[in-house]
Amino acid sequence: QAALTQPASVSGSPGQSITISCAGLSSDVETYKVVSWYQQHAGKAPKLIIYEVTKRPSGVSDRFSGSKSGNTASLTISGLQAEDEADYYCYSYAGGSAWFGGGTKVTVL
Amino acid sequence: EVQLLESGGGWVQPGGSLRLSCAASGFTFNSHAMAWVRQAPGKGLEWISIISGSGSSTSYADAVKGRFTISRDKSKNTMFLDMNSLRAGDTAVYYCAKDRGPLTVVRGLIIPVFESWGQGTLVTVSS
Repeated sequence: QAALTQPASVSGSPGQSITISCAGLSSDVETYKVVSWYQQHAGKAPKLIIYEVTKRPSGVSDRFSGSKSGNTASLTISGLQAEDEADYYCYSYAGGSAWFGGGTKVTVL
Repeated sequence: EVQLLESGGGWVQPGGSLRLSCAASGFTFNSHAMAWVRQAPGKGLEWISIISGSGSSTSYADAVKGRFTISRDKSKNTMFLDMNSLRAGDTAVYYCAKDRGPLTVVRGLIIPVFESWGQGTLVTVSS
């Protein structure tokens, strides 16, 4: 029972931009910036793509970007590519514990 | 290169016990918190436990509190998860993950950034 809410699915055509939301963040996130995002391809382990709300690890495409407004974080994928088809999860602090969001399946049309 | 290798998964009957291991290499083991994350078949990710680099601080998700115990052995660069009173709902792939650091603590709870992941080990609880 995730305390963080994500849309179940988002789709877009190659080259388009899509945004995945993650709602329900604690107000403490403003201070500690504890929002991260993970990409998981089918049958594979998750991969870190965004941390501290907006930062990208070395080697992650700059087509991925993170932001936050109020109690909702967002992941934007620009210039959508076939390889971006995967499940995406946010992770943060909410309701006194740490949670992954329920996950969003991204489909490239 | 960071490597995390889980082992110890398998089939166990309800009420049984299992010990998972995560062998780590490629980084200074004692300097990073480590965590266990699981994923039930066809479901999303679920954080279940974390341990600080020194091993002095641990946290658990409510779903496993009192049944699972996380620990680490710095001499072996290995993290463990002792799972007792297993239930069908514990059936999942269990991943170990390394925190990026530095340690972030929010109201007493370690909130990691899962920088590196193992490939997972499957635990099946069934009669």
